[in-house]
Amino acid sequence: EPEVTQTPSHQVTQMGQEVILRCVPISNHLYFYWYRQILGQKVEFLVSFYNNEISEKSEIFDDQFSVERPDGSNFTLKIRSTKLEDSAMYFCASSVSTGGGSGYTFGSGTRLTVV
Amino acid sequence: GESVGLHLPTLSVQEGDNSIINCAYSNSASDYFIWYKQESGKGPQFIIDIRSNMDKRQGQRVTVLLNKTVKHLSLQIAATQPGDSAVYFCAELISNFGNEKLTFGTGTRLTIIP
Repeated sequence: EPEVTQTPSHQVTQMGQEVILRCVPISNHLYFYWYRQILGQKVEFLVSFYNNEISEKSEIFDDQFSVERPDGSNFTLKIRSTKLEDSAMYFCASSVSTGGGSGYTFGSGTRLTVV
Repeated sequence: GESVGLHLPTLSVQEGDNSIINCAYSNSASDYFIWYKQESGKGPQFIIDIRSNMDKRQGQRVTVLLNKTVKHLSLQIAATQPGDSAVYFCAELISNFGNEKLTFGTGTRLTIIP
């Protein structure tokens, strides 16, 4: 079954450093998303991406965050200067179309720890 | 603002029994809901969905009930198995001029007791 692949599974970084979280969405999917989950809390929407541009972003997704689809397969989330409160699980998701359903697939996540 | 929330944070059920996980939502205009299962170290996994023009939908061992009058959603898991132990989230799909995002509830941790 096709999967959304995320790397690394765990990233530890020092406060103020830049991190790039990587995702390989399912190959025929057109819509891409990043969500995050602070430990013990609910999953929160960060950003959606379609046709090589951001469709929507949340209040969390400030100027320190950026997304990119540098080639035909990868979708990345960059945090320029990490803060302690950026520590969370970051999930990438993709879908072939809008409308939800079982086609909206999440990756296993990257656990980001900022120290 | 609108929110999707859960009544109970934890639930323990004897193996073989049925379990019911509840969720309340506040946006009366919501028209699509999804239940996700999240196992330790994994991302949310789709279980079942329901649209607002339905009040019940069944899958394999799972049933989702939607009560629009009281804005309540539930997930029933029949004949629970150890593999059902996980955190379960309800989520609402919010559409805004063609852009979509999922708004998740807090989650209920289901533990199956052998």
